[in-house]
Amino acid sequence: QVQLVESGGGVVQPGRSQRLSCAASGFTFRSYGIHWVRQAPGKGLEWVAVIWYDGSQKYYADSVKGRFTISRDNSKNTLYLQMNSLRAEDTAVYYCARDMIRGTIYYGMDVWGQGTTVTVSS
Amino acid sequence: QSALTQPASVSGSPGQSITISCTGTSNDVGAYNYVSWYQQHPGKAPKLMIHKVSNRPSGVSDRFSGSKSVNTASLTISGLQAEDEADYYCSSYTTNNNWVFGGGTKLTVL
Repeated sequence: QVQLVESGGGVVQPGRSQRLSCAASGFTFRSYGIHWVRQAPGKGLEWVAVIWYDGSQKYYADSVKGRFTISRDNSKNTLYLQMNSLRAEDTAVYYCARDMIRGTIYYGMDVWGQGTTVTVSS
Repeated sequence: QSALTQPASVSGSPGQSITISCTGTSNDVGAYNYVSWYQQHPGKAPKLMIHKVSNRPSGVSDRFSGSKSVNTASLTISGLQAEDEADYYCSSYTTNNNWVFGGGTKLTVL
């Protein structure tokens, strides 16, 4: 079935780096834009970043711009989020989510992973 | 980019209808028809309920409907059921090629 599975979360010290992965299956990964969305404990959803189906364009929330990098390997059906200079306020569950229409990033996120938890703490 | 504005909570009795508002600006909700709504139960991933303002994905009950006027989008749930109790989030594409979510609304079915 159509599925996204995140991994790579854990406890990391402030200022350090962490890389998250999102493995896709059950659909043509290379045809879809994919987002990262996070949710801090007890808080609402926050959009983090998006990458076009072919990796040609990437956009970031102001809160992570310059620190986080989204990328993808379509040969491995995998999305990544490289997170550098981590702060306490980056503590959250991180979800990857597929944009519902092939070749776009506008329509909404119809497939979500189960999330991976990142805790930034000394 | 500021979050879209939603009421913190709404409530209704089974069988009733409720509406959740989502107010943005001319740079997001008012700029495009790319407004989505998500339902999230505790400990679960969000679920897409409405896309492009008023379109329901396959499998979503027709009790859920969406609309938009200028800078405010709305989600209406008719015939409230116990399983509708959840958090609801709106989201919009923006003129900065970003997405922005609302702060979320907790729906209580009395």
